[in-house]
Amino acid sequence: QSILTQPPSVSGAPGQTITISCTGNSPKIGAGNDVHWYQQLPGTAPKLLIYGNTNRPSGVPDRFSGSKSGTSASLAITGLQAEDEADYYCQSYDSSLSGWVFGGGTKLTVL
Amino acid sequence: QITLKESGPTLVKPTETLTLTCNFSGFSLSTSGVGVGWIRQPPGKALEWLALIYWNDDKRYSPSLKSRLTITKDTSKHQVVLKMTNMDPVDTATYYCAHHFWSRNNFDYWGQGALVTVSS
Repeated sequence: QSILTQPPSVSGAPGQTITISCTGNSPKIGAGNDVHWYQQLPGTAPKLLIYGNTNRPSGVPDRFSGSKSGTSASLAITGLQAEDEADYYCQSYDSSLSGWVFGGGTKLTVL
Repeated sequence: QITLKESGPTLVKPTETLTLTCNFSGFSLSTSGVGVGWIRQPPGKALEWLALIYWNDDKRYSPSLKSRLTITKDTSKHQVVLKMTNMDPVDTATYYCAHHFWSRNNFDYWGQGALVTVSS
């Protein structure tokens, strides 16, 4: 079973930079399958934040950036703001399952 | 503008079958490459992909739930329906439908979600 592992929580003060990791246990994650990131504000539906490892949809501030190396990916948020407090999920496709997988989610707290 | 909205019962009894409908606008499920997926989220827990249907009626299911799920589409009505049999309290969750495009492998537009509680 494909698993994407994220830290349960991260925190940072306003203005600081934080990173959230996403590590896959399957070589399929590194075999050309992109990682995507979602932001879920409290009480709302997830919103696509980063697609194709590094790309931001229109309207997403450039404070948010993504990277991927091998079977791991990261989301970085610079210039942390109170409104960034949310849950963040990574997601990829596992071709061995012919299905999509999500990470366990990371709760970001802005101190 | 792409929008999706889930509808269905808010409360189902254990062993019953859940039927959820996703009504969408702003795209067509007859367009090559387009898909609609279902994802659920138990209270306080992570997202879990359930099923997805493509424009060409190709259907994908989560291996762990495949025996309980059926996904269908009505292109003319702009609807996708998900059925889940033998509901259990652990299936209590918010169920989301989302727009998908085959080459991007992500879910770029989401509905607001529908909370389904399984209880006798």
